[in-house]
Amino acid sequence: AQKITQTQPGMFVQEKEAVTLDCTYDTSDPSYGLFWYKQPSSGEMIFLIYQGSYDQQNATEGRYSLNFQKARKSANLVISASQLGDSAMYFCAMRVYASYGKLTFGQGTILTVHP
Amino acid sequence: DADVTQTPRNRITKTGKRIMLECSQTKGHDRMYWYRQDPGLGLRLIYYSFDVKDINKGEISDGYSVSRQAQAKFSLSLESAIPNQTALYFCATSDFQSRTDTQYFGPGTRLTVL
Repeated sequence: AQKITQTQPGMFVQEKEAVTLDCTYDTSDPSYGLFWYKQPSSGEMIFLIYQGSYDQQNATEGRYSLNFQKARKSANLVISASQLGDSAMYFCAMRVYASYGKLTFGQGTILTVHP
Repeated sequence: DADVTQTPRNRITKTGKRIMLECSQTKGHDRMYWYRQDPGLGLRLIYYSFDVKDINKGEISDGYSVSRQAQAKFSLSLESAIPNQTALYFCATSDFQSRTDTQYFGPGTRLTVL
């Protein structure tokens, strides 16, 4: 079975500073993908970034980067230069490719950006 | 226009009523999914479909049924709604041919069962 753990229920950051949201995962399958989604207060789920288990480099997408440490089974999201609009719930999710495509989600971390 | 649309966006219904939530996509993706989100929790998979003739149960399919009317349309039905089905429901799509098979979500339907 797969499991995603997000140990930070809430995080606070000052505008323009960087913040790291933690995510650890558990799977015995060697082929998997890790995803981060953002859910603003309006409710929609917005895809941010993807990291494949065989990718050699950490993924980056604009201000988002993924600190992938395979041996430690962690996939932390780093948001640089935080903006007020970054305030939202953030979910880490995993997909094991031997399965049928199901995404397993963590419990989420609420990020609040202070001006 | 949004690539993945869901109707209705909000729905209040009574216990025992049958309701249908609809999802349409213009992304041309073959795979479609239905998830539910309970307050303060991550999403859980209800049903998924890899093409029109392939429909499968997810982890919490009891009390739900689905129909894949076309590649672009995937509907979720609650045969006899009950209060613990009050949740935020998401439809998602993905492209199996892509490298990442990333799932893209619709805006969600907020369902309340009284």
